[in-house]
Amino acid sequence: DAGVIQSPRHEVTEMGQEVTLRCKPISGHDYLFWYRQTMMRGLELLIYFNNNVPIDDSGMPEDRFSAKMPNASFSTLKIQPSEPRDSAVYFCASSFNLIANTGELFFGEGSRLTVL
Amino acid sequence: DQQVKQNSPSLSVQEGRISILNCDYTNSMFDYFLWYKKYPAEGPTFLISISSIKDKNEDGRFTVFLNKSAKHLSLHIVPSQPGDSAVYFCAASGDDKIIFGKGTRLHILP
Repeated sequence: DAGVIQSPRHEVTEMGQEVTLRCKPISGHDYLFWYRQTMMRGLELLIYFNNNVPIDDSGMPEDRFSAKMPNASFSTLKIQPSEPRDSAVYFCASSFNLIANTGELFFGEGSRLTVL
Repeated sequence: DQQVKQNSPSLSVQEGRISILNCDYTNSMFDYFLWYKKYPAEGPTFLISISSIKDKNEDGRFTVFLNKSAKHLSLHIVPSQPGDSAVYFCAASGDDKIIFGKGTRLHILP
């Protein structure tokens, strides 16, 4: 299996622009998570889905952030409009049957976002 | 309010010696505790976990200890090797969520 695939790997944009990050989870995994990594806050959970349904979005910073999972093999995280403080590495992770397993997640390589 | 805390941002250890990384948590309802390892420009990868009903789990050079009364866990790496230089994240799993700490950067010195 190819693992969790994220795109783009790097994104540099200007303040006010829309940013869309993409994720393809591991086939067969029913949980998908979006995390953000910053020096100050470490790895923050933004939102997660179970069977394509958003379960908890309490970590989404504000209304400028939105996430969708239209099908089991694709998810997007959108920031509109972007701000410099959104600069971070955004990770997507997937897992199978989270309740039954130990909580092991499989992470993508991340999307490094820089907002100028 | 951080539910999982790693109070040491970084740690330097001589090659061959023991590395001890610490983690504290606040929620007694967590079912599992996990350690992830992260190299630069890569995503975190699962390293080792421990159930809340156990107090020790060992996998090769890596051992995780859990002290429930103190709400504290630690990861021991012995002997430490150059390839162990990375950021280590402590995580807690429960209620269908996985919460991570801020991470500890481990430097293994030659």
